[in-house]
This record gives sequence, C-alpha cells and structure tokens, in this order.
Amino acid sequence: NAGVMQNPRHLVRRRGQEARLRCSPMKGHSHVYWYRQLPEEGLKFMVYLQKENIIDESGMPKERFSAEFPKEGPSILRIQQVVRGDSAAYFCASSPRQPGQGNSPLHFGNGTRLTVT
Amino acid sequence: TQLLEQSPQFLSIQEGENLTVYCNSSSVFSSLQWYRQEPGEGPVLLVTVVTGGEVKKLKRLTFQFGDARKDSSLHITAAQPGDTGLYLCAGAEGNNRLAFGKGNQVVVIP
Repeated sequence: NAGVMQNPRHLVRRRGQEARLRCSPMKGHSHVYWYRQLPEEGLKFMVYLQKENIIDESGMPKERFSAEFPKEGPSILRIQQVVRGDSAAYFCASSPRQPGQGNSPLHFGNGTRLTVT
Repeated sequence: TQLLEQSPQFLSIQEGENLTVYCNSSSVFSSLQWYRQEPGEGPVLLVTVVTGGEVKKLKRLTFQFGDARKDSSLHITAAQPGDTGLYLCAGAEGNNRLAFGKGNQVVVIP
C-alpha cells in the first residue's frame, strides 16, 4: 500500500512565478491536509480538504495561495506570484478520518522543498 | 489556538545515555500524538496517548500523558544514534486540524 506521494521533491522558482505542488493521499484516505514547515516556526497548518471540498483554509494566506482536491487526481497546492518568504518545506498528509474523530493519525508525505530565488 | 510548547528545543547526548523531552499546554487535549521526523522526510507517527496518566512503551521509548491531559513526556532509555531526529507532539484542535509543537531536536552522538 503506497504511502502519501508528493511531487516534486524540490522546486525552484523565481520571484513572480507560480509554484504547483501535488499530493496523492494514501489509498482509501479522503482527508488531505497541507502544512508548511520552517525551521524556526515548526509545522503550521494551512488547509484541510475532503474530496472536492475545502473544509478549513484558515491557515492559508488569502492572497496568492489556493488548494484543491478534485474528484479524480491528486490534491494541488498552488502559490501564485511567489516571493522569497514562500521558501519552505510543504508537507501533505492524509487520514481516513477527521483529526477529532477516533484519534486519527496523519500519514505524511516526504514534502516539497520550495526555493524562491 | 491551543499552543503546544516543547522543551528542550535542542538536546545533544552521548550514545547510551537517557533523555526526557516534554510537551506542555495550558489546554486539555482528548489525546496527544508523538511523531518523529528525520532530515528530508515527513513526520512518522510513533504513538497516540489517550487516557490521563497513560504510559505507553515502544521499545526503548516511554510516553506518558499527564493526569490532566495537558502535557506529555517522552523518555528514551540508552539512546542510540538511530534515535536522532526531531520529535513532534501534536493535538487535535477542533475537528479539523492537528496542531503541532515546534519539536524537540535530539542528537545522539556515537
């Protein structure tokens, strides 16, 4: 059973370009989460999606950032007009249930490291 | 926001020594999870503690959940270089997210 797959592992973009990060959850998992990790800040929640629905995007900046989890295909985190401050590791995680239900653990991918030059 | 504070932030010890790291909050959690993250990889779940006062053992790792369910500790006995990593505690924040502490970076020197 394949784990959570993220690609690309590394992404370099120049300021002003778009970054598109992809995540395929574990088989049978319909709950997807995106987190951003910076060394001094730890793992910060960005957005929680279920198939075709954004459930909670309160951790995601309102401008330039968007996320989707279509009926078919991977979840996508899109960052438009990237700036240097967007450089970070972005992790996707999936679970079969909501975090508040049955102590559901998160299964993480190995992240996409975005560098904005 | 239910803050989870982890201490110490960084800990370096010799192989064979014991260590304890802590995860504290002013809020009550229905459960806490501990993850370990190695460089270049995503966090991997180690354990979930649910009941106040609960103690769980995973080989040389002992996890304890505080009686009031506000804090947790991780004790490693006879640490080995393979225990090196970033240890993260996490608790459910509402129904929609897991909130993480900043982590305990543990380095075990051979």
